[in-house]
Amino acid sequence: SAVISQKPSRDICQRGTSLTIQCQVDSQVTMMFWYRQQPGQSLTLIATANQGSEATYESGFVIDKFPISRPNLTFSTLTVSNMSPEDSSIYLCSVDFRSSPEAFFGQGTRLTVV
Amino acid sequence: EDQVTQSPEALRLQEGESSSLNCSYTVSGLRGLFWYRQDPGKGPEFLFTLYSAGEEKEKERLKATLTKKESFLHITAPKPEDSATYLCAVQSYTGANSKLTFGKGITLSVRP
Repeated sequence: SAVISQKPSRDICQRGTSLTIQCQVDSQVTMMFWYRQQPGQSLTLIATANQGSEATYESGFVIDKFPISRPNLTFSTLTVSNMSPEDSSIYLCSVDFRSSPEAFFGQGTRLTVV
Repeated sequence: EDQVTQSPEALRLQEGESSSLNCSYTVSGLRGLFWYRQDPGKGPEFLFTLYSAGEEKEKERLKATLTKKESFLHITAPKPEDSATYLCAVQSYTGANSKLTFGKGITLSVRP
C-alpha cells in the first residue's frame, strides 16, 4: 500500500476561478489517476497521469478543463479550471503498483463552487 | 463497455443482523473485482480483490465471493462501526491502463 496525501482537503471557490489539487505519494509509482465522485454517482475516472508523458483523458473530460501535471514519480496535480457549480464534487487521487492491481486512494478534496 | 451495478442502494441493519451486498458486473475480460469501504469525508479503503469465479476472501466480519456475473459481500453479525459505503469495482484486460469501473456504492447503516 501507500500513503497518499491530498491538499486541500476541502475548498469553497467562486465560479470562474480555478483550483489546483495536489497529490503526494510516499513511494514512487508509475501511474497516478484522478477520479471525480459526484453525489449519488459512481467514482468516475478523469484521467491517467504517467510521469514524463501527457495525461490520458477519459471520454467527457478535456485537458483545457482539467489540466494535469506529473513532474515526478511521487507527485501530481489536477487543476479544475473556470469552475461552475456543476464542478462541485469530491476529487480523488489514486495510485496502483505494478506488483498488484489494487488501487489506493487519497482522502479526497471536497470542492464546492458558489 | 464495463458496467457495475450494486444493490440495494442503502441497507439498514440491526447490530448482529447478517446480510449480503450485491455487485453485478459485465466486463469483456475480468482482471479483478475489488471491494472498497468508504467512510464519510474519506477516500475509499481497499478491502478485497477477487480474480476468478469461486474465489472467496475473508476479513473479520466480511466475506467476499465471486461468480461469473456477480460478487457478494457478506457481513456477519455486523457492528455499528461497519456503517459505511461499500464500493465495488472491476478492472478488465482491455485498454492500456489500469482503469477501474465503479458501481454507485451501497450505504450500510448498522443500528446498535
